[in-house]
Amino acid sequence: GEDVEQSLFLSVREGDSSVINCTYTDSSSTYLYWYKQEPGAGLQLLTYIFSNMDMKQDQRLTVLLNKKDKHLSLRIADTQTGDSAIYFCAERSGSARQLTFGSGTQLTVLP
Amino acid sequence: NAGVMQNPRHLVRRRGQEARLRCSPMKGHSHVYWYRQLPEEGLKFMVYLQKENIIDESGMPKERFSAEFPKEGPSILRIQQVVRGDSAAYFCASSPGIGVQETQYFGPGTRLLVL
Repeated sequence: GEDVEQSLFLSVREGDSSVINCTYTDSSSTYLYWYKQEPGAGLQLLTYIFSNMDMKQDQRLTVLLNKKDKHLSLRIADTQTGDSAIYFCAERSGSARQLTFGSGTQLTVLP
Repeated sequence: NAGVMQNPRHLVRRRGQEARLRCSPMKGHSHVYWYRQLPEEGLKFMVYLQKENIIDESGMPKERFSAEFPKEGPSILRIQQVVRGDSAAYFCASSPGIGVQETQYFGPGTRLLVL
């Protein structure tokens, strides 16, 4: 079955860039997503990328997709304390509707 | 345009009781998904519904759990005879059900605690 993996923790200093990585196994993945979850809250969609793209930029966020290696990354430029949260990578295969999530990366931004 | 609504936000039940979780999708959305998040874990898919139909319940436990999305009213996830292992956050997501790109928008979740 599908599997999505992420490292559990990342700490960066305020103003630095953060890079959160994700790997997936399903070669038929068609859409890949990044969601943000703040404590006690639901999931906020940050951005998504189609599998036929290799990069997408949206303000401070840059998503890179290496389809050959099945590797997805989210770069947050000029990281702020408000970016501290858990970031989930998720994928959806073309034929399925449901999302498969990674276990989340806890990003801590230090002052 | 209001987002996905879930209620209650927090629910406490004793073992053996029933838990009923409600989800109102975004306006114009006809597809609803339920996910469960155990502590320290990612979300796991449970069930996918369209109005009056269960499309995919492959992630839902066979016993004690049921879901519906009636023609009128919210989607309901029902857990009968709850056990401590059912303690988790239950998230509902909705999508419009049209087009190729099916972005799912999530509600704030219901946090269920079974004593």
